[in-house]
Amino acid sequence: GNSVTQMEGPVTLSEEAFLTINCTYTATGYPSLFWYVQYPGEGLQLLLKATKADDKGSNKGFEATYRKETTSFHLEKGSVQVSDSAVYFCALNNNAGNNRKLIWGLGTSLAVNP
Amino acid sequence: DAGITQSPRHKVTETGTPVTLRCHQTENHRYMYWYRQDPGHGLRLIHYSYGVKDTDKGEVSDGYSVSRSKTEDFLLTLESATSSQTSVYFCAIRPSRDQETQYFGPGTRLLVL
Repeated sequence: GNSVTQMEGPVTLSEEAFLTINCTYTATGYPSLFWYVQYPGEGLQLLLKATKADDKGSNKGFEATYRKETTSFHLEKGSVQVSDSAVYFCALNNNAGNNRKLIWGLGTSLAVNP
Repeated sequence: DAGITQSPRHKVTETGTPVTLRCHQTENHRYMYWYRQDPGHGLRLIHYSYGVKDTDKGEVSDGYSVSRSKTEDFLLTLESATSSQTSVYFCAIRPSRDQETQYFGPGTRLLVL
């Protein structure tokens, strides 16, 4: 079946540090991949996505590349800020058949200290 | 902004009472979802709808029912609330089958005493 595995948190970094949050997946077919972010007290919002192998999604300084050979979609940012403190969720949508649901990772909490 | 509102935003209730949460959208999007979010469990799908009067169960549907009598409203009902249903509930929409992204409402924080 389809599944998403994220690295466990919490992740704690100092401001301007490099961030990597690992995400790997299992899926049949050719899924689309997503990163969502949830700031404290808010709902989730789309951060970036990629719909096919080797695509790179990017937004707000974050990047993730769809790697089919390693079934991964790791989130990276070169220099984090305190305002990036949030929970990050990796998700996939399997486009095979009539699938209307996203498959979610458990989320990774990030805390950035000044 | 996908025009999603949830009501109430906060609710405290007692075990055994019925509770209804409302999700309202203003854009006539086809797909609507109810999730619950709990520490250590991430997001879990309760029910979803793919059109008026068309709904289906998610992975944690026991104890919950839904209704969608018009496009803009998706109601989640806890028939007899239990303490295990204390959670944060999120509604989401997906505009169409070809648009995969889901957009989330602000959430409802429910405490069952």
